[in-house]
Amino acid sequence: QKEVEQDPGPLSVPEGAIVSLNCTYSNSAFQYFMWYRQYSRKGPELLMYTYSSGNKEDGRFTAQVDKSSKYISLFIRDSQPSDSATYLCAMSRTFNQAGTALIFGKGTTLSVSS
Amino acid sequence: GAVVSQHPSRVICKSGTSVKIECRSLDFQATTMFWYRQFPKKSLMLMATSNEGSKATYEQGVEKDKFLINHASLTLSTLTVTSAHPEDSSFYICSARDPSEKLFFGSGTQLSVL
Repeated sequence: QKEVEQDPGPLSVPEGAIVSLNCTYSNSAFQYFMWYRQYSRKGPELLMYTYSSGNKEDGRFTAQVDKSSKYISLFIRDSQPSDSATYLCAMSRTFNQAGTALIFGKGTTLSVSS
Repeated sequence: GAVVSQHPSRVICKSGTSVKIECRSLDFQATTMFWYRQFPKKSLMLMATSNEGSKATYEQGVEKDKFLINHASLTLSTLTVTSAHPEDSSFYICSARDPSEKLFFGSGTQLSVL
């Protein structure tokens, strides 16, 4: 089993829809969880980061972490065509050690049609 | 947010030549930078961890003599693909941690080896 699993999609929704993106993981030591948005042929852009379990909201984006289920989600409300991109989840065991790298999911490609 | 600049964004080279990619943290010092490789519809694959003032740490299966990494200062890391071959064609992305430990990515370099 891979450390991080993410459905690659593609996921197509109409403008205004609520989008749910998810990742599951197997390593219970992960404590820091991030969502990145990547447009085609660009570097990933940090959207949200959360520590441990719980919810975090930023504008139209909500990140949820359920450590008991090893499951994280990103919700996008009132989706816009400009949200069309690939969304990557990422996680790590620690956050304050210089050598620690993130483990990424494969990314889910989202397309929002107007 | 913190800015990481990566240059060039696209390079086309002949087989057998070497290509250098630069990664700069523009508004913070980064003791550690990371280099990733990404294939179409695949996740980011960590190649190596670049440490300022010391040797890079390479992931298993990555040839250190082929992918030379130099982290000469706290704001600059370079990746040199030596004797490039068509199979080295890929999207290369760097990242750096800012002082708050968040990870920010460069915009990526699309390498095409003819």
